Amino acid sequence: SQTIHQWPATLVQPVGSPLSLECTVEGTSNPNLYWYRQAAGRGLQLLFYSVGIGQISSEVPQNLSASRPQDRQFILSSKKLLLSDSGFYLCAWNDLTGTAYNSPLHFGNGTRLTVT
Amino acid sequence: TQLLEQSPQFLSIQEGENLTVYCNSSSVFSSLQWYRQEPGEGPVLLVTVVTGGEVKKLKRLTFQFGDARKDSSLHITAAQPGDTGLYLCAGARGNNRLAFGKGNQVVVIP
Repeated sequence: SQTIHQWPATLVQPVGSPLSLECTVEGTSNPNLYWYRQAAGRGLQLLFYSVGIGQISSEVPQNLSASRPQDRQFILSSKKLLLSDSGFYLCAWNDLTGTAYNSPLHFGNGTRLTVT
Repeated sequence: TQLLEQSPQFLSIQEGENLTVYCNSSSVFSSLQWYRQEPGEGPVLLVTVVTGGEVKKLKRLTFQFGDARKDSSLHITAAQPGDTGLYLCAGARGNNRLAFGKGNQVVVIP
């Protein structure tokens, strides 16, 4: 069975510090990988998605970047955190089995980031 | 601009009551998914609806996709405390990217 791991679960970082959040998927090959941010009252905002190693698409301009060094590893980074980067970050995967548009997302348990 | 509007944003009901929440858009979607999210966890898929007018049932939960594939509703019969959570709808826009609504926060009081 497929599993997705995301860590850390919680993180408190000062403004201006770097960030690295990691996500790994097991039990599947060549998944689509996503990073979402969920801020209170704003729903899920897609930040980045990747269809393969080294292939990253950015949905919104921001202080963050993403990388996919391995097939089942997705990393979210920042060189200098801003207060506005606080939120709940969710990694997710899906595949193209069947009809692509109907592929459900499988989410990790998220990282609660507080920038102080 | 929010592509999917969910209403009501917050709903509190007594155990045993029925409730309906809505997900509306001016855009047409090829499919629509409903997820439930509990505090501190990621959303979990409940159902995918694909055909206009489609109705799907998951135990006490009934999902309906609008005829024009622009909106959807979720009806819960005889709600239980375990139904408490944030219900998120997500529409497929193409390129396998989903647009999420802000969610319907449902609280079922024992």
